Amino acid sequence: EDKVVQSPLSLVVHEGDTVTLNCSYEVTNFRSLLWYKQEKKAPTFLFMLTSSGIEKKSGRLSSILDKKELFSILNITATQTGDSAVYLCAVSFQGAQKLVFGQGTRLTINP
Amino acid sequence: DAMVIQNPRYQVTQFGKPVTLSCSQTLNHNVMYWYQQKSSQAPKLLFHYYDKDFNNEADTPDNFQSRRPNTSFCFLDIRSPGLGDAAMYLCATSRSRTDNSPLHFGNGTRLTVT
Repeated sequence: EDKVVQSPLSLVVHEGDTVTLNCSYEVTNFRSLLWYKQEKKAPTFLFMLTSSGIEKKSGRLSSILDKKELFSILNITATQTGDSAVYLCAVSFQGAQKLVFGQGTRLTINP
Repeated sequence: DAMVIQNPRYQVTQFGKPVTLSCSQTLNHNVMYWYQQKSSQAPKLLFHYYDKDFNNEADTPDNFQSRRPNTSFCFLDIRSPGLGDAAMYLCATSRSRTDNSPLHFGNGTRLTVT
């Protein structure tokens, strides 16, 4: 069975801290790993990672994939209260566009 | 702006009373998906349409059905909602099955069953 596991499930930090969110996967026919941010509505796309070792960066957020060890991390530096959300990791498959999601990490940034 | 629109944002239905959720898209994407997300859980794929071709996930209950009358619209029908069907229902689209681009999500419909 295809599986995507995120850790930690919940994280509370202070504004300005740096956080690292983890995602590991065990799937057949892996294509890409995606990160989404979900506030109280639909997930919004952050990154898609297809190749190992290439860091994707957008402002204070960055992410990298390790296809040998089957995991990805999402880093957020200098966190702000607006970063509070559930961060979802998902995997897509060769020949099919469906996504399998992890259970998410609920990140809370306190002022 | 091209987008995925779900109506209504909030839906309340009674136990056993059929309910329909709707999704429309202006992206002209071939594939439309319905995901169920229960509280504090990951979104779970129920089914998807590739054009008019319906693809049901193996563990989707028979209580859940879908219709896609044209490219722009897709409906989720819950024939006899139970309390366990209370969830956020997310519609998403993609250009094609093989296109490796992220899914576009609507804002979801939060279903309450009383």
